[in-house]
Amino acid sequence: DAKTTQPTSMDCAEGRAANLPCNHSTISGNEYVYWYRQIHSQGPQYIIHGLKNNETNEMASLIITEDRKSSTLILPHATLRDTAVYYCIVRGSYTGRRALTFGSGTRLQVQP
Amino acid sequence: DGGITQSPKYLFRKEGQNVTLSCEQNLNHDAMYWYRQDPGQGLRLIYYSQIVNDFQKGDIAEGYSVSREKKESFPLTVTSAQKNPTAFYLCASTPRDRASDEQFFGPGTRLTVL
Repeated sequence: DAKTTQPTSMDCAEGRAANLPCNHSTISGNEYVYWYRQIHSQGPQYIIHGLKNNETNEMASLIITEDRKSSTLILPHATLRDTAVYYCIVRGSYTGRRALTFGSGTRLQVQP
Repeated sequence: DGGITQSPKYLFRKEGQNVTLSCEQNLNHDAMYWYRQDPGQGLRLIYYSQIVNDFQKGDIAEGYSVSREKKESFPLTVTSAQKNPTAFYLCASTPRDRASDEQFFGPGTRLTVL
């Protein structure tokens, strides 16, 4: 699975959009980009994933660059409850192990 | 309510004792996973099981053991051979036939070895 690079921490004002970047320059053609988040002392929660098209769901939007070497997770109207560590993960479609490789992620602090 | 349960939430043990962490799911998922998380770090894979009566070592299996006798249950034993067992342990599951790799996580067990 390709390696990802994320900023260690970010701040965002409540009600504003939070844009979390992720670099995955070694991504290959069949690898998806996944985003999870982990609120303090809880299990990670799936947010969204995509291959090459932009994706949107009720939680967030995922923008993947045309060359697929980077992506941005967008929380359109951040709330205090969005304060968490956000993990960007790249992996291929079904392989034998199917486990996820979590890096250190980005710690997002939403400020009131 | 479908989900994954882990118990207990906090667990204390004396050094040298084996301890078993519980993980149960009622999602009818085939695959189950155990991860370990240390403070400020990401998750590391300990063991995984894709089907009943089968399991595989992950990246940091030394000092741990698992069993998968039932689809719903995947208990993890932390043995006295694990040199630094104090950590946050997370269990997860995935339906085997699903194309997406969305994993469903339990709330975790925080193990402290005194």
